[in-house]
Amino acid sequence: DQQVKQNSPSLSVQEGRISILNCDYTNSMFDYFLWYKKYPAEGPTFLISISSIKDKNEDGRFTVFLNKSAKHLSLHIVPSQPGDSAVYFCAASRTSGTYKYIFGTGTRLKVLA
Amino acid sequence: EAGVAQSPRYKIIEKRQSVAFWCNPISGHATLYWYQQILGQGPKLLIQFQNNGVVDDSQLPKDRFSAERLKGVDSTLKIQPAKLEDSAVYLCASSPTTGANSPLHFGNGTRLTVT
Repeated sequence: DQQVKQNSPSLSVQEGRISILNCDYTNSMFDYFLWYKKYPAEGPTFLISISSIKDKNEDGRFTVFLNKSAKHLSLHIVPSQPGDSAVYFCAASRTSGTYKYIFGTGTRLKVLA
Repeated sequence: EAGVAQSPRYKIIEKRQSVAFWCNPISGHATLYWYQQILGQGPKLLIQFQNNGVVDDSQLPKDRFSAERLKGVDSTLKIQPAKLEDSAVYLCASSPTTGANSPLHFGNGTRLTVT
C-alpha cells in the first residue's frame, strides 16, 4: 500500500522557469511533510518541510504548498537552475505515537540550460 | 558538523553470502535509521533506533537481517544469507530529537549488489 505517491517519474523544465513537483498521500493521520533532493551517488538532502497547521512554507527559491483536504502537496522551484537537476522525494510522517517517515518513489527533475 | 558516515560505499557479494554495513551518525543525534532503497523506489524504513533501543523494526526481514546500535552511537546492519532481491542502496540516517518534526540527515549509502 503506497501511502505517499509521486505520480510523475520525471519532469523537464527550462532554466529560469518554474518547476512544480507533486505528491499525494492517503493517510489522513500524516501531519508533517518534507521534501528531499538526491544527487547520484549521494544520500538524500533535506530541502524544506511543512507542518499541517500551515498551507505554505517558503525558503528562498523553494516553496511547499499543502492542501489537506485534497491530501496533496507540491514543491515549487522558482527560478529553476541547472543545479536543481536531481531526484526529489516527498516524505510524510505523523507527530503523535510511533512515527516514521514514509517516502514517495521520487521525481527526476531535469533543468535544461 | 560532520555528516553521517557510512562504509563501505560499494559491496558485491554472491547470494547466500553475508554482508555488514556500518554507520556513524552525526554526533549527539539520538535517533538512527536504516533505510533500503531499491532502484526506482523511495527509501523504505528497515529499523529505527532511539539511543540503543529499537523503536520500529516492523519492516525488517528478521530471518536474514539484523541490526544493532551498541552504546547508542554507531550502528551495524547485517544480512545473512543475502538474496538477489537484497540488491539496493542501504541508507543510514540520523536526527537529533525524538520528535517527528525533525528532518533526517542521510549518509551517502552503501550500494549492495547480490549476484
